[in-house]
This record gives sequence, C-alpha cells and structure tokens, in this order.
Amino acid sequence: GAVVSQHPSWVICKSGTSVKIECRSLDFQATTMFWYRQFPKQSLMLMATSNEGSKATYEQGVEKDKFLINHASLTLSTLTVTSAHPEDSSFYICSAATPQGASEQYFGPGTRLTVL
Amino acid sequence: RKEVEQDPGPFNVPEGATVAFNCTYSNSASQSFFWYRQDCRKEPKLLMSVYSSGNEDGRFTAQLNRASQYISLLIRDSKLSDSATYLCAVNKAGSASKIIFGSGTRLSIRP
Repeated sequence: GAVVSQHPSWVICKSGTSVKIECRSLDFQATTMFWYRQFPKQSLMLMATSNEGSKATYEQGVEKDKFLINHASLTLSTLTVTSAHPEDSSFYICSAATPQGASEQYFGPGTRLTVL
Repeated sequence: RKEVEQDPGPFNVPEGATVAFNCTYSNSASQSFFWYRQDCRKEPKLLMSVYSSGNEDGRFTAQLNRASQYISLLIRDSKLSDSATYLCAVNKAGSASKIIFGSGTRLSIRP
C-alpha cells in the first residue's frame, strides 16, 4: 500500500514557540494531503486540506494564521503550529490520497506534540 | 446531530466470538464509506472500503444500508490481535475527497 511518513514522530516545546511537522508521500505523488488532529479518546478532526501549488483550505473553526500549511511539492506538505500553547498539545496526523483512489486515504504515523 | 456516529463501546468479547459494529451517517448524499482500525497511539489504518453490494475480506464483512444511512462491520472468529479501536468514515458533504470520522468503537478481545 501507499506509504506516508511524518517527521518528527514526537516533539516537546515551550509555550510560544513554533513547531513544523512534515508529511511526505514516499512512493506516490499526492496532489492533496489532509491534516487531522486527535485529542485523547476522541476521533480525528479534519483541520485542513493541503493542495499542491495553492493555498490550503481550512475547516470551520481552525485558525489559518495559527496552523500554517505549505504544500510545495507533490510529495511534501508541512504544518507549522505557530506560537504553540498547551491547549495545542495533541496528536497531529496527515494523510494523502493516492491518484488511483482519491477517496481512500493513507495516513502518516502521526506526530505527538506536547507544549509545556 | 453529528455527521458520523458510533457506539464508543468498549466491547469486551471472548476470543472466537463474532462482534458487530454499526455506524450511522447524516448526509444522505455520501458516496464513500470506510472502516479504519486504530491501535493505541498509532495512526488509523484502512481496514476496508464499504461498497453498496457489501464486501468481505476474510473474517471481516462490511455492509452498507443507504435507506437507513448506516454501515456495519462484522468480525467473525475474533482474535486477540483484533483488539483496537474501529473508526468508520464517510465522505464529507459536498466533497468527494474529504472524509469525516466517527468517534470510534473500542474492541477488546479476551483470551
């Protein structure tokens, strides 16, 4: 199956700093990637859709100036959590849709962010 | 009403049992349906897509009921390794590619 990687797998940072998370599709080109957030014992919440070569589209309630998304190539999307605060601590997961099955998504292993 | 709803469980069943999960969705125009499996502190992994005619993959059977707007997952002869959280997912209203997840159903298989 399609392979998606994320880096870093976990990060601990101080409140007020910015954190960048990378999402890569390793064996296919992904024109669209998705970013999710998952709090403990809750489901994945879609944050935004990352489109290669254009601006990301954000779900209602997600601050685009706080969660900066860049999709500069067909295999890489980045999510930057700016001025992180403890309430941003969560499990951030990206996914990519393969060209063959646009509605089937394959997930990266996730990044666990802890803001102190 | 949530777009996708699931019984959170937990379901605690003995090894070898058959267990079924249901998931309801609110958007009657949805076209894509999935079951994902998520292990603790891991990413979701696609278990199977759900087709109108229903589909089976080994011990796993998925069904779609459009009239009642629910999808189901049946696991036969459950194994200890089946213990996980099972998430149903449906494409978001107005979008073919965005998917919305249910809150997940926790399954625990005991020896």
